[in-house]
Amino acid sequence: DQQVKQNSPSLSVQEGRISILNCDYTNSMFDYFLWYKKYPAEGPTFLISISSIKDKNEDGRFTVFLNKSAKHLSLHIVPSQPGDSAVYFCVAQSGGSYIPTFGRGTSLIVHP
Amino acid sequence: DTGVSQNPRHKITKRGQNVTFRCDPISEHNRLYWYRQTLGQGPEFLTYFQNEAQLEKSRLLSDRFSAERPKGSFSTLEIQRTEQGDSAMYLCASSPPLRDQETQYFGPGTRLLVL
Repeated sequence: DQQVKQNSPSLSVQEGRISILNCDYTNSMFDYFLWYKKYPAEGPTFLISISSIKDKNEDGRFTVFLNKSAKHLSLHIVPSQPGDSAVYFCVAQSGGSYIPTFGRGTSLIVHP
Repeated sequence: DTGVSQNPRHKITKRGQNVTFRCDPISEHNRLYWYRQTLGQGPEFLTYFQNEAQLEKSRLLSDRFSAERPKGSFSTLEIQRTEQGDSAMYLCASSPPLRDQETQYFGPGTRLLVL
């Protein structure tokens, strides 16, 4: 029972273009969302987060959008760079819990 | 390097053997987490500690699994009587005392292969 769903296992994008990674969740108790990035042979690293009181959070080339009514969030990377090639995990948490729920990840490949 | 470290990085064992993994968190972090990640899946929560207290355990953590953090610093994860289904990447993460919502800092993981 996947409470956090990343339905695209992979995404291929040209350098300089926008990358959009999507995530859906089913648990309405989730109120804090994060994206982690993972390179091969390394552990995941935190990228950006958003609280349910916001609908957008921006950090440099990375923007996360949250649509609570649709239980959907997306990560936009503009412009995409080859170094962004990695697996991106969508993560959700509910208030007061330290236990995150990870999606299965989307493998992003940015072609030069 | 002041990040989270895990040892060993790789472990190959025969079914039925016991294995133990170690995690050294970032020094000022009081919370420590263990996850398991299998191919094509995201990390799945196993257990977490706040200081030396084990506060929550997933139902994924069967009786063959035990974790300790005796002095609130490093932690060990032991798997007894390993099974082929235990083959996975075991990730450790730590986080600092809560300010706002937290983010976790992950180690590189220990890859276990049970033959």
